[in-house]
Amino acid sequence: ETGVTQSPTHLIKTRGQQVTLRCSSQSGHNTVSWYQQALGQGPQFIFQYYREEENGRGNFPPRFSGLQFPNYSSELNVNALELDDSALYLCASSLGGRWDGYTFGSGTRLTVV
Amino acid sequence: DAKTTQPTSMDCAEGRAANLPCNHSTISGNEYVYWYRQIHSQGPQYIIHGLKNNETNEMASLIITEDRKSSTLILPHATLRDTAVYYCIGYTGTASKLTFGTGTRLQVTL
Repeated sequence: ETGVTQSPTHLIKTRGQQVTLRCSSQSGHNTVSWYQQALGQGPQFIFQYYREEENGRGNFPPRFSGLQFPNYSSELNVNALELDDSALYLCASSLGGRWDGYTFGSGTRLTVV
Repeated sequence: DAKTTQPTSMDCAEGRAANLPCNHSTISGNEYVYWYRQIHSQGPQYIIHGLKNNETNEMASLIITEDRKSSTLILPHATLRDTAVYYCIGYTGTASKLTFGTGTRLQVTL
């Protein structure tokens, strides 16, 4: 089975721009979550999508938005980028009801300058 | 979500057992103790989870105290590839989010 794939791996954007990050979930998984990980910190939950609907959101402003597609892949969109948005963005997929946790991708490293 | 407390860093000699402690005194009755690890430049990787009983799988063993206020993750024969940040998380299994702390940075040395 394939794992979670994220693209791009690295990205540099200018403050005020918009960015779209992409995630392909593991085969058979119907739930996708996004996390932001600042340097030296643990990942922070942004939101989760289950069957194309948002299913929980962390303490992030509305300029962080997402989508999940019928094939369960997902996008994270961030508008009006700020310097503090520089981080590793992680996507994780799971099959609802399973107990063996989430499968994470290797992330997208976003740098805002 | 349970607040977990872990040491910031630990060292372990290769081939020896690595014992990583976690305090979770506020864990609720329906929260499992989950352990993930994050090797440099990768996403977190699931290791093991448990509720009350001790658990073992091919990667590690998890010892949970009877009062469930603390647990220990044991890597029986640590290798250099086990160098990573290890996160202890309280999770119900149905909630939408995992709440990560700052974890324990385990350095395995020759």
